[in-house]
Amino acid sequence: LAKTTQPISMDSYEGQEVNITCSHNNIATNDYITWYQQFPSQGPRFIIQGYKTKVTNEVASLFIPADRKSSTLSLPRVSLSDTAVYYCLVGLSGAGSYQLTFGKGTKLSVIP
Amino acid sequence: SQTIHQWPATLVQPVGSPLSLECTVEGTSNPNLYWYRQAAGRGLQLLFYSVGIGQISSEVPQNLSASRPQDRQFILSSKKLLLSDSGFYLCAWSVPATALQSGYTFGSGTRLTVV
Repeated sequence: LAKTTQPISMDSYEGQEVNITCSHNNIATNDYITWYQQFPSQGPRFIIQGYKTKVTNEVASLFIPADRKSSTLSLPRVSLSDTAVYYCLVGLSGAGSYQLTFGKGTKLSVIP
Repeated sequence: SQTIHQWPATLVQPVGSPLSLECTVEGTSNPNLYWYRQAAGRGLQLLFYSVGIGQISSEVPQNLSASRPQDRQFILSSKKLLLSDSGFYLCAWSVPATALQSGYTFGSGTRLTVV
């Protein structure tokens, strides 16, 4: 599976837009990029998934450049409740993957 | 609607004691089921996955085992717990047909402390 690299931590003030970038230089042709959010003592929650260009849902946007070697999760106007760990994963194909590998993620702290 | 139940929420067990954690899924058929473990300050580690009744694949050799006696039931077990088994255990499921849209759904987790 493609290895991912993302910042260990980030701080942001309430109301700001937060962009978390993930590097995945060895992404395979059939790999999708997926982001999860995890609050303390809870299971991760699926946020967004994409293959190329831009994907947007009610929670976030995902920007993927043409070479797909990186991706950026964009959280608009964060609030205190967005404080969590965000994981970038690569390798979940459309048919489903048996090995969803999580790294240490990015710990986002939103400051009032 | 599809839901996943995992229990207990917390568990304190002595070294050498047995373990049984249960996970059940509702509202779906033939799901893929997974057990993950998260040690303090670390990412999630895939322990086992199952694509059907009685079909278990192990990702990491360890002191644990898993079983799937029914389509929507996944059990994590140990005969003798070690201190290193402490962690946050998470059950998850996915349906290949909808994985693209919804990814994996995780349970609420079990915090296991081996003393």
